[in-house]
Amino acid sequence: KQEVTQIPAALSVPEGENLVLNCSFTDSAIYNLQWFRQDPGKGLTSLLLIQSSQREQTSGRLNASLDKSSGRSTLYIAASQPGDSATYLCAVRKGAQKLVFGQGTRLTINP
Amino acid sequence: EAEVAQSPRYKITEKSQAVAFWCDPISGHATLYWYRQILGQGPELLVQFQDESVVDDSQLPKDRFSAERLKGVDSTLKIQPAELGDSAMYLCASSPDLTGGGYEQYFGPGTRLTVT
Repeated sequence: KQEVTQIPAALSVPEGENLVLNCSFTDSAIYNLQWFRQDPGKGLTSLLLIQSSQREQTSGRLNASLDKSSGRSTLYIAASQPGDSATYLCAVRKGAQKLVFGQGTRLTINP
Repeated sequence: EAEVAQSPRYKITEKSQAVAFWCDPISGHATLYWYRQILGQGPELLVQFQDESVVDDSQLPKDRFSAERLKGVDSTLKIQPAELGDSAMYLCASSPDLTGGGYEQYFGPGTRLTVT
C-alpha cells in the first residue's frame, strides 16, 4: 500500500527566504506526482505535475523535483512572499488509480 | 478557464439526516473523483467514475454513502444517515484521461459538511 509522508508538518519562515518542502513515498512505481496548494477552507489548486519520466518541473518561483528511485520529491519556493502562506500537499498516482496524498505542510511566511 | 463546480459550498445537518452533494466536472472530462478530507489530513478517495461506471469505490462506506453519475457528466454523492464522524470537506475532481494516469486532476472548491 502506497504511503506518502510530508516533512515538516508546519514551517514558518521570514519573507524573502528560499525554502524546501519534502515529500516521500513508499512505492516507487508511480505514474506521476502532483503538488497542490490549499488555502484554509478552500479546495486544491494544482501547482506542478511531474511525470515519472521527468526529473523536475518549474513554474515561476516554484520548482519541483522527483527522484523516483529513492521515493522522494521536493518543492522549492524561491523568494517567499506572505501570499505563499497555505498548506502544500503532494500526491502520487499509479496508473489509472487514485491519487494518494500526504498530510501536507502548513507554510507561514512572516512579513 | 473551465472549473469544477460543486454545491453547496457549506452544509450543516443534524445526525441521522440525509445530505447530498453535487459536482459538475470540467466539460469533456471522462474521469470524476470524490474525495473526503478530514481537518488536518490529506484527501482520501471515496469513489472514482470513468464515464458513468464506478472504477473504484473500495473506500466508500456503502452502508450509508452512495454515489452516481447517471449520464457520465455531473455526479451526486449522498450520505444517509449522516454521523458526527462524517464532518469533513468533500472534494470533487475531474481528469480528462480515459485509461492512463498521465493527466492532472482538477479540483472543485469543495463542500464543507458539519454534522451536529
